[in-house]
Amino acid sequence: QVQLQESGPGLVKPSETLSLTCTVSGDSITTYYWHWIRQPPGKGLEWVGFIYHTGNANYNVSLKSRVTMSVDTSKNQFSLKLNSVTAADTAVYYCARYVAGASPHAFDMWGRGTMVTVSS
Amino acid sequence: QSALTQPPSASGSPGQSVTISCTGTSSDVGAYNFVSWYQQHPGKAPKLMIYEVSKWPSGVPDRFSGSKSGNTASLTVSGLQAEDEADYYCSSFAGNNIWVFGGGTKLTVL
Repeated sequence: QVQLQESGPGLVKPSETLSLTCTVSGDSITTYYWHWIRQPPGKGLEWVGFIYHTGNANYNVSLKSRVTMSVDTSKNQFSLKLNSVTAADTAVYYCARYVAGASPHAFDMWGRGTMVTVSS
Repeated sequence: QSALTQPPSASGSPGQSVTISCTGTSSDVGAYNFVSWYQQHPGKAPKLMIYEVSKWPSGVPDRFSGSKSGNTASLTVSGLQAEDEADYYCSSFAGNNIWVFGGGTKLTVL
């Protein structure tokens, strides 16, 4: 049973760095693509970016200057850092697995999500 | 890298069918058969309902079906049931290791 679990501070001050980790259990992080997706309160889903176990990553162009993702294969975890946050970064952050190169070419497993509020 | 366009709302009575559209461009929806649909109930994580335009993951009822024509994908829910009331999102691979979501559609079962 594959499970993804987000963890990290629920409150971040403006201009500081948001840091989240996704722990994957029941599957190896060396397979598939691993994504972060966020959802501001009352709004839709926004793709943040992805990382592969090799460190290959890409980010939403609107966030690219502020986002860094990393992967720790020894811990089966991947992480998100978003710097210079503002209130507009307040959202539920989800980590998700994407199967590429074979079916389903979709986000087939999701974490429960973690709410991050940017406020002083 | 613009969001895919979905109607903000859709509705139907129990037993009826409803179709939700998802319009992209020739760089995303029109270019790849990697369109997927997600159902999200309040306070819950999204759930994969359709992948690769028209395929069902295990456990998803075949009342849900997907299709695509040109730059527009569609999700049809047949035989509406009360538990189908939720938000629905489409997503597409957009090339160059970029993915994009639709703005979401709130489906109401009258």
